Amino acid sequence: EAQVTQNPRYLITVTGKKLTVTCSQNMNHEYMSWYRQDPGLGLRQIYYSMNVEVTDKGDVPEGYKVSRKEKRNFPLILESPSPNQTSLYFCASKRDLNQPQHFGDGTRLSIL
Amino acid sequence: AQSVTQPDIHITVSEGASLELRCNYSYGATPYLFWYVQSPGQGLQLLLKYFSGDTLVQGIKGFEAEFKRSQSSFNLRKPSVHWSDAAEYFCAVGAAGANNLFFGTGTRLTVIP
Repeated sequence: EAQVTQNPRYLITVTGKKLTVTCSQNMNHEYMSWYRQDPGLGLRQIYYSMNVEVTDKGDVPEGYKVSRKEKRNFPLILESPSPNQTSLYFCASKRDLNQPQHFGDGTRLSIL
Repeated sequence: AQSVTQPDIHITVSEGASLELRCNYSYGATPYLFWYVQSPGQGLQLLLKYFSGDTLVQGIKGFEAEFKRSQSSFNLRKPSVHWSDAAEYFCAVGAAGANNLFFGTGTRLTVIP
């Protein structure tokens, strides 16, 4: 089954404790993105990747890092999480630029 | 600047009634338009998309949307709503060759018996 898998689905942690949210897709898609969803703001892109070792900032990249060492994986790293990063995060992938994105089921992060 | 406006934060309809969710966009290039649905605890599922051609597009679950360039709108419709349609709906706009999607703030649909 074609899917985008995120882990963990839920995480409660404390300020400053580094965390990584993993994202993996099994569709051999080149393009992957991370979004955060906040009430009243919709989804906003954090980072995106157009291929292995090619990443770029989206609209709200501050406080986040990403890497793309393999085509299928696109982890999101919060080196020093802060409470304003409490949010619902979505990973997405697509085959090429002119195709719709496929979304994972989301990761709800709470930073205390 | 690119933006998507969904003017209705919350809509309540009776089961069996018709539905229209509004979406207006502002985009500098020729837009690609999408409607996604998000059920509680789930990711976003693509309902339909418009890239070019026929301005009335059909999607899954009996939804359709009409692209009106003159009004910069892409409203989502369904003739008869089912209780299972209760969810949050997002309109999004992108462009050919662009990686980013710009999302509206969503419309929450409640269906009453």
